[in-house]
Amino acid sequence: GAGVSQTPSNKVTEKGKYVELRCDPISGHTALYWYRQSLGQGPEFLIYFQGTGAADDSGLPNDRFFAVRPEGSVSTLKIQRTERGDSAVYLCASSGGAPGSYNEQFFGPGTRLTVL
Amino acid sequence: DAKTTQPNSMESNEEEPVHLPCNHSTISGTDYIHWYRQLPSQGPEYVIHGLTSNVNNRMASLAIAEDRKSSTLILHRATLRDAAVYYCILRDSNTGTASKLTFGTGTRLQVTL
Repeated sequence: GAGVSQTPSNKVTEKGKYVELRCDPISGHTALYWYRQSLGQGPEFLIYFQGTGAADDSGLPNDRFFAVRPEGSVSTLKIQRTERGDSAVYLCASSGGAPGSYNEQFFGPGTRLTVL
Repeated sequence: DAKTTQPNSMESNEEEPVHLPCNHSTISGTDYIHWYRQLPSQGPEYVIHGLTSNVNNRMASLAIAEDRKSSTLILHRATLRDAAVYYCILRDSNTGTASKLTFGTGTRLQVTL
């Protein structure tokens, strides 16, 4: 079956611009996660949705970052006034979210964001 | 979150077993031990997880020390496709089955012919 997909695969933008990154989770998965990964580092948690609501947004670095999941499926990560330090690979993952089961996270291939 | 410590890198020959260690001396009684790996230019993928008992699946085995302060991921016969960064992660079961993963820098496994 189809895995987690992310678009675009690459995004190059200029400092100060606004960007949107999209994630299509595995169909039926209730939980959706965003992480970002800088070169040579492990992924860093940003935000997690259970259904339409953000269950944990403690990883968002500041108020320039925002994410939505209006219908409980596709999610968009939005970054305002981009800075060069935002350059990273942004990873999305989804899991079944079923109570009592393990619910491994399935990751997409990521969006590589470069801020010039 | 309790912290894990892994070697930065390891090497293995193809077709030989690989033992990837992880120290987690501050693990709590409700922490599960998870392993994910990340192949080049891909997102991480789940490998295995356990609580107290050793675990086996089609990908690997997980050996957990009796005091749970360390664990070892075992790849029984490494192949070139196993070259990846392997992450050992602790996740508190009290946070629910759907909660964030806290990645460290992992162990980069190099497999040679």
